[in-house]
Amino acid sequence: GDSVTQMEGPVTLSEEAFLTINCTYTATGYPSLFWYVQYPGEGLQLLLKATKADDKGSNKGFEATYRKETTSFHLEKGSVQVSDSAVYFCALSNRGSTLGRLYFGRGTQLTVWP
Amino acid sequence: DTAVSQTPKYLVTQMGNDKSIKCEQNLGHDTMYWYKQDSKKFLKIMFSYNNKELIINETVPNRFSPKSPDKAHLNLHINSLELGDSAVYFCASSPVEGFVEQYFGPGTRLTVT
Repeated sequence: GDSVTQMEGPVTLSEEAFLTINCTYTATGYPSLFWYVQYPGEGLQLLLKATKADDKGSNKGFEATYRKETTSFHLEKGSVQVSDSAVYFCALSNRGSTLGRLYFGRGTQLTVWP
Repeated sequence: DTAVSQTPKYLVTQMGNDKSIKCEQNLGHDTMYWYKQDSKKFLKIMFSYNNKELIINETVPNRFSPKSPDKAHLNLHINSLELGDSAVYFCASSPVEGFVEQYFGPGTRLTVT
C-alpha cells in the first residue's frame, strides 16, 4: 500500500545552518507529494508540493524535488531561522488509492537555536 | 477570515461522557476530513466526507460518529469517552476529491480524565 517514511527527529540546528529532512515514499502510479509544517499549538499548513516527477516545490526558502527514480522528496533549506522551529510532515496523495486520502509520515521535530 | 475553524479549542471531560467537536469551512470545498494526532504527533485519518457523503471510514471505534449537515460542516460526536481518546483532533477540507492539498483547522485538544 501507499506509505511515507521520513527521518526521525528530533533535529536540532543552530541558526543559519543547512537543513535536510529525508522523505521516501512507496506508491503505485504517480502520486502527488507534499510537505506540511505544524507550528506549536497550531494546525498543519501546506509548505510546498510537487505533482509530477522532477517538479521542485518551493516556499519560504524551503525546497523539495520529486525524484521518482529514488522515490524521494527530501526537504531542504539553506539557512534556517529560529522561526522555522516546528514539526514537518511529508505526505502523499495518490489517485490510485482512496480518493482524497493523504498518507502522512510520522513527522520530524525541528528546533533551531539562536 | 478563518478558512477552517473548529470549536472548542480545548475540551476537558471525564470518562464516560459524550462530547461533540464542530468544524466549519468557508472555502467552498466539497470534501472534509477528521484526523486524530497522538502525543507523538502521529496523524491518523478517521473519516472523510464528500458533499455530505461518507467516503473514508477508517477503523475507529463506533463510539465516534461524524455528522455532516451540509458540505460546509463536519461535526464529530464521541460517546462514552475513554482515556485513550485523549488527543488533538484536526478537521481539514479540500476542494475536490483526489490528490490535492488539504487545509487544516487549528485543532481541538481533547483531554479525558
